[in-house]
Formats: sequence, structure tokens, C-alpha cells
Amino acid sequence: TQLLEQSPQFLSIQEGENLTVYCNSSSVFSSLQWYRQEPGEGPVLLVTVVTGGEVKKLKRLTFQFGDARKDSSLHITAAQPGDTGLYLCAGASGGSYIPTFGRGTSLIVHP
Amino acid sequence: DAGVIQSPRHEVTEMGQEVTLRCKPISGHDYLFWYRQTMMRGLELLIYFNNNVPIDDSGMPEDRFSAKMPNASFSTLKIQPSEPRDSAVYFCASSFSGGSDTEAFFGQGTRLTVV
Repeated sequence: TQLLEQSPQFLSIQEGENLTVYCNSSSVFSSLQWYRQEPGEGPVLLVTVVTGGEVKKLKRLTFQFGDARKDSSLHITAAQPGDTGLYLCAGASGGSYIPTFGRGTSLIVHP
Repeated sequence: DAGVIQSPRHEVTEMGQEVTLRCKPISGHDYLFWYRQTMMRGLELLIYFNNNVPIDDSGMPEDRFSAKMPNASFSTLKIQPSEPRDSAVYFCASSFSGGSDTEAFFGQGTRLTVV
């Protein structure tokens, strides 16, 4: 079983602050994804990274895949209340897309 | 497409009763996944199907759990008999085998409470 460890588990910040959450594993992944889940809903994909060292930006969100393809980070600049949710990373390896999820980081952004 | 559709949204049942959760995947998707989400264990993969065939059910916790996919547009997850520790949110997701940038589309989940 490929384990994905996410940190921190919980994060409570004020609007306007910056934050970084992490996803780490001892396994190598062919791709790594970040999903966001809002209360009462299923996870929704934010981004997929596939190349070691890759950096992708989605408005105020910056995603990075580690050089060894074992870890990833998500940085949010100037967080807003609308960023509140559970951020999940999911890894897949081999030729099939069978996502294995970390336990997530629960983010609350206070107005 | 309406997305992945799960029913019911909420289910409350007594211990020992049979529970059946239902899922309609997105048309054209060839993978279907059943996950269980709890605070303690996060989002766990229970079983997945490829072209309606169960491929890996190693995540199914016990023989009380079973899943079927009789056709490409329908799947069920059954718990018989149910126990209080089965209380969780159960998600169905589907995807198309398009390579490393494929994404899983999730339903809204079924919140199961066993009392």
C-alpha cells in the first residue's frame, strides 16, 4: 500500500494570509493530484502534476511536484474564505489511474 | 452529463439490517471506484471496476461488504448485516482511462448512519 502523508492535518488562518500544505510519500508516483472537497460534496480535481520538479499555478494556488516524484506542496497566496475546504492529494503509479488518497488538510479561512 | 449520481444521499438504519448504496457513473467512463470516508481513516478505496469487472476488492473490510456492476451505467455496494462501525460517507467515483492526467469524478456521497 502506497501511503500519502499530508500535513498539517488542520489549519485555521485569517483572510489574506499565505499558507503551504504538504503531501509526502516514500513511494514514487507517475502522477500526483490535488483535490478540494467542500462539506457535503465529493472531492473535485484542482490540478495534476506528472513531471518531477513541475510547478503549476491556478490563480492564487501554486502546486509543485518534488524532483523525485515522491512529494508535493500546495501554496495559497492571500487566502480567502472561499478557499475553506479539505485539500486532498492523490497519487497514481504504473499504467493505470487508480488514485490513492491522503487523509487531507482541513483548511478554514476566517473573514 | 449530470455527473456521478449516488443514492440515497442519507441512510439511517438499525444494526443488522441490509443496506444498499447505488451509483450511476458518467456515461463513457470505464473505471468505477467505491470509497469510504471517515475522520479517522480518511478516504479509503474499497473496490474498483474496469469495464464492469471487479479488479481489486482488497479494500473491502469484511465479507459483509459486496459490490456489483451489472452494466456500464449502474453499480451497487451492499452491506449485510450492517454494524455501527460502518457509519461513514460512501463515495462512488468514475473515470476514463486516459493516462496520467485522468481525473476521478465523484458523486455527492451517501452518508450512512448505523444505529
